[in-house]
Amino acid sequence: GAVVSQHPSRVICKSGTSVKIECRSLDFQATTMFWYRQFPKKSLMLMATSNEGSKATYEQGVEKDKFLINHASLTLSTLTVTSAHPEDSSFYICSAYLQAKEKLFFGSGTQLSVL
Amino acid sequence: SQQGEEDPQALSIQEGENATMNCSYKTSINNLQWYRQNSGRGLVHLILIRSNEREKHSGRLRVTLDTSKKSSSLLITASRAADTASYFCATDRGNSGYSTLTFGKGTMLLVSP
Repeated sequence: GAVVSQHPSRVICKSGTSVKIECRSLDFQATTMFWYRQFPKKSLMLMATSNEGSKATYEQGVEKDKFLINHASLTLSTLTVTSAHPEDSSFYICSAYLQAKEKLFFGSGTQLSVL
Repeated sequence: SQQGEEDPQALSIQEGENATMNCSYKTSINNLQWYRQNSGRGLVHLILIRSNEREKHSGRLRVTLDTSKKSSSLLITASRAADTASYFCATDRGNSGYSTLTFGKGTMLLVSP
């Protein structure tokens, strides 16, 4: 089956630093990937849609300068949380859409803790 | 805002019992999907039901869809401790050329041995 790898699984950083999270589709090409944020015991909140070779589409209320998304290849999208603050602490999950199976395949998530 | 709303929010049962989770949504959909999430992990796709389907089975899973009531249910039969997880429904409006799913808030299922 299709596999999406997300790295790192956990990161702890100091306030003010930037953190990069990678999302890779390992055995299929994904022109579209999605980034979500999830708070404890809550649903997934779509942050942005990452499109290969073009700018990401951000959901309302998500700061594009704060959450930088780059989708430079058909198998890799990155999310950079810039100048992280404690309120950015959350579980971030990526997914890639496989058209042939009409399914989203999810990465295993990244737990970000900003001290 | 989240379209899908699952109920109950939490469900605790014994192994061997059946677990039923419900999902309601507000707008028209192309399909509805159910996902499972183990604590601290990503989501795993369980089953997809199209808007023109009423029921679908996959192993111990049974999903129903009632488009007139804008609701769906997920039944897990003969539950096992390993079924303990959060379950989310997600609606796909299917109008973007790719899938943009809207997730519900989920049902936390606890299956005790």
